[in-house]
Amino acid sequence: KNQVEQSPQSLIILEGKNCTLQCNYTVSPFSNLRWYKQDTGRGPVSLTIMTFSENTKSNGRYTATLDADTKQSSLHITASQLSDSASYICVVRKAAGNKLTFGGGTRVLVKP
Amino acid sequence: DGGITQSPKYLFRKEGQNVTLSCEQNLNHDAMYWYRQDPGQGLRLIYYSQIVNDFQKGDIAEGYSVSREKKESFPLTVTSAQKNPTAFYLCASSRNYGYTFGSGTRLTVV
Repeated sequence: KNQVEQSPQSLIILEGKNCTLQCNYTVSPFSNLRWYKQDTGRGPVSLTIMTFSENTKSNGRYTATLDADTKQSSLHITASQLSDSASYICVVRKAAGNKLTFGGGTRVLVKP
Repeated sequence: DGGITQSPKYLFRKEGQNVTLSCEQNLNHDAMYWYRQDPGQGLRLIYYSQIVNDFQKGDIAEGYSVSREKKESFPLTVTSAQKNPTAFYLCASSRNYGYTFGSGTRLTVV
């Protein structure tokens, strides 16, 4: 069964600290993996998209990694800011089709 | 600016009533999608449309209906047959590998 599992479900960090979110998937065959940021009551906004051959991709203070062999990805947030408080969603696209499988998200709360 | 617009942002419905959620895009995207989001769960696909006048059921289509008469518009009707309609509904559009989401409609059944 094609699944995307994210951990932790939620975490609280102090402003200025770093954190890492995990995403494990079983979707196959794999096409690409995306990380989205979703503010409360808003639609998801794309942070990064990674294909099979990419190991690391950065977008400002966000850095995503991908290990296609172990089917794991992480999203690292550096020097967190209050505006980073949101849900972060990992989404995997299956090859040969346009089907996306969404993880349940990690809710991040940054406290001053 | 190009984008995807969902309306209304909040919607209240009495049990037994049908209600239609609007989704409009000016990105010239061929494909459009409706997802449902419940707390702690990943987005689930309700319906999708790859081209005008054609649409396909997603994973949880029961109790929902759609139409795609124009490229720009993909309205979703939540019918009285949907037993648990209270949720956050997201519309998306795509061309090739890029996905763009709307800002969502929160539907509450009262």
